[in-house]
Order: sequence, then structure tokens, then C-alpha cells
Amino acid sequence: SQQGEEDPQALSIQEGENATMNCSYKTSINNLQWYRQNSGRGLVHLILIRSNEREKHSGRLRVTLDTSKKSSSLLITASRAADTASYFCATVGGTSYGKLTFGQGTILTVHP
Amino acid sequence: DGGITQSPKYLFRKEGQNVTLSCEQNLNHDAMYWYRQDPGQGLRLIYYSQIVNDFQKGDIAEGYSVSREKKESFPLTVTSAQKNPTAFYLCASSIEGTGGRYEQYFGPGTRLTVT
Repeated sequence: SQQGEEDPQALSIQEGENATMNCSYKTSINNLQWYRQNSGRGLVHLILIRSNEREKHSGRLRVTLDTSKKSSSLLITASRAADTASYFCATVGGTSYGKLTFGQGTILTVHP
Repeated sequence: DGGITQSPKYLFRKEGQNVTLSCEQNLNHDAMYWYRQDPGQGLRLIYYSQIVNDFQKGDIAEGYSVSREKKESFPLTVTSAQKNPTAFYLCASSIEGTGGRYEQYFGPGTRLTVT
């Protein structure tokens, strides 16, 4: 079964707006990672947040992690048309030896 | 250029034939992974290898086989026993697999169509 579940499944916004995607998971984790996938391409790693961290920033990306609620959010500020892609959260459990468990993803469309 | 390559980009096969997908990395990573992605779905782990000459089954290993004879290479064979082989296959690598402390780097993928 999938560990991470993203919400919403699809998000459509205008350029310049912020985009927020949420991820929930079921079991304890070592870390949580966010990836981006352009249509028909491989995944690109965006950011990794460890279980003892609460917030992390990278450029226009902000990720939060709430281990008590078993949830994470990815915020993309001042979105651009080039941000259009699918975004996946992936979790690594405590004893999973590097195995990532992916959610089904959020499809983000940013209209110019 | 450092990176991870997969070939071919598109692959077509007849039902009942085995097919091998190539994955090569020059990142000097110890760990390598194979995932399968179906339309509108996330990735599911097929096999992974933490070190040369060692590999473990992932969540959906049935009908697939792998080898890891060299650090740089982790080929995946889709056998005729795989009931639903048509999918997008992604290979990935990471510095090490232990504890999942590092991000994974993905190849561009191979789209396999079996008719």
C-alpha cells in the first residue's frame, strides 16, 4: 500500500500565485522527500526533510513536517508556468534501507 | 557529465518475450533502484541493490529479474511471467542505501509497450 498520499490530486493556479501541496503518511519515518516529474520524464529531487526537522527552505520552496500529525506540506511561492509538473512526496521508514515509498502525486498546472 | 542513463527511451515487444532495460550511472553511487510507474500513479519499487553483487526484492518483484555485476550498471529484465509489463520504468541511484539518508537521482525512464 502507498505510504504517502498527496492532496489535492490536481491543482490549477495562475502565475504568481502560491501553490500548496500536502502529503500524509501512515508509519514512522526517517525522512520525507519531495520530487518533481515533468510529463514523460524522470523524477528530480527537490528537498529532503528529516524526522527531527520541522521546516526547510530551498529557493521558492518551503517544506514543513509535522510528525505528530504524520503530514508534510510543500509550498511553492510566486509560481511560474515552468513549475507545471507532477509533485510526489516519498517517505523512508526507520528500517527500510533507503527504500522510498511514493504517494500518487499532485498534478500542478500553472497558467501564464 | 555525471548522471544516470537509461536506454532505450521507448521499447516495444511482443507478449511472451523477455526484454532487458539498461541502466548505467557514473555518479559512483553504491545503491541503485528500479521503479515502475503506471499512468496517474506514483512509483512502485521493483528491485534495489545496496552494493555490487547484492540485490533485494522490492514491493512488486514478481516477473522481473536483475543483476548487479558492476557498480555502474543495474539492468532489469522483464520476463514473460510479468502479467502486465506495459509501463514506464525508472531507474535511480543514491550515494548509499542504508537508512535512506540521501536523495535518489533518477534516469529519464524507459517506456515499455508489450502487445
